Amino acid sequence: GESVGLHLPTLSVQEGDNSIINCAYSNSASDYFIWYKQESGKGPQFIIDIRSNMDKRQGQRVTVLLNKTVKHLSLQIAATQPGDSAVYFCAEKGGKLIFGQGTELSVKP
Amino acid sequence: EAGVVQSPRYKIIEKKQPVAFWCNPISGHNTLYWYLQNLGQGPELLIRYENEEAVDDSQLPKDRFSAERLKGVDSTLKIQPAELGDSAVYLCASSQRGDRNTEAFFGQGTRLTVV
Repeated sequence: GESVGLHLPTLSVQEGDNSIINCAYSNSASDYFIWYKQESGKGPQFIIDIRSNMDKRQGQRVTVLLNKTVKHLSLQIAATQPGDSAVYFCAEKGGKLIFGQGTELSVKP
Repeated sequence: EAGVVQSPRYKIIEKKQPVAFWCNPISGHNTLYWYLQNLGQGPELLIRYENEEAVDDSQLPKDRFSAERLKGVDSTLKIQPAELGDSAVYLCASSQRGDRNTEAFFGQGTRLTVV
């Protein structure tokens, strides 16, 4: 079956450092991916997306990399701040929107 | 522009009672999703609507769950009767259309506690 999963359940980084959150997907036909940030008590918040005809996309302090060969994508957060502490999900969007388990990012001051 | 609005934010009910959740998607969004999220897990799709048509309800436990989107805008999700295991956050999301390359936006969710 289809699945989108994350390599690590938790990630702890020092404030100011860069963070890298990884995600593996199993459906080789997937062609659109979204990263969401979810803070406690809130719904998932759209961060950045990437289409399969791209291998990199940059936003404000965030970069998503897509490696279709190994069905892997990552979210890089530059100069991580305390406000970045949250659970991060990758999701594959076709007709459905399929989520992985999530990685909890903790930023130490 | 208002985002996806859900109500109530919290609901506590006794088992075997009915409960309903309401969602108002972003204006102009044809696609509406209902998700269930257990603690520490990613959201799991329950049902997806394209306008008023339920195009994917394969994960909806139809013995006790039902949903409707009569006019293709607002939607309600109902559980009757609720069980202890239904305690979770119920999320609603919308996107302009259900095809591949449009982002989906989420509401704040309704946290259901069944006691």
